[in-house]
Amino acid sequence: EAGVTQFPSHSVIEKGQTVTLRCDPISGHDNLYWYRRVMGKEIKFLLHFVKESKQDESGMPNNRFLAERTGGTYSTLKVQPAELEDSGVYFCASSQDRGRIYNEQFFGPGTRLTVL
Amino acid sequence: GESVGLHLPTLSVQEGDNSIINCAYSNSASDYFIWYKQESGKGPQFIIDIRSNMDKRQGQRVTVLLNKTVKHLSLQIAATQPGDSAVYFCASFRGAGGTSYGKLTFGQGTILTVHP
Repeated sequence: EAGVTQFPSHSVIEKGQTVTLRCDPISGHDNLYWYRRVMGKEIKFLLHFVKESKQDESGMPNNRFLAERTGGTYSTLKVQPAELEDSGVYFCASSQDRGRIYNEQFFGPGTRLTVL
Repeated sequence: GESVGLHLPTLSVQEGDNSIINCAYSNSASDYFIWYKQESGKGPQFIIDIRSNMDKRQGQRVTVLLNKTVKHLSLQIAATQPGDSAVYFCASFRGAGGTSYGKLTFGQGTILTVHP
């Protein structure tokens, strides 16, 4: 079974440009999460989709970030316009509801974003 | 606010020794605590979790201890191997209203280096 995949693996853009990150969760996983790790800091939650609906977007930094999950399958995270402080590694994770309070989240390899 | 922190950023051990990685947390309302391992170029990989009403859980070569009195979590790795070299993150999970809807809160990470 394929794991969570993310594209691209690396992206280098200039300040003010737009970047779109993509995440393909494990097939059948209704829950999809976005996290990011800024250099030297902890991994922080951005938002959580249940199927195509945003369940929790409390971690989104500001309105320059837009996440979508049309059709409840893959998700995109767009940053427009990108700022220097957006640099970091963006992780996507997915999980399947197995009737527990905590259901294991499987992480993708991440997209390393560098804003110059 | 909710936070999960680590005592030491780096840990070096000899192959065959036992490793202990520590973590402090602040939110006593967390439902689960989880340890993740992250190797270079990969996303966090689940190691083991423990429910908040437990104080010990064992896996293959790993043991997680939870001390709720002092809000402390530890990961013990027995007979550490070079392949265990990675960054280890502790995380907490709290389900909203007793549901499975929640987010992971991560600590900064400990770099474990195993010398042959």
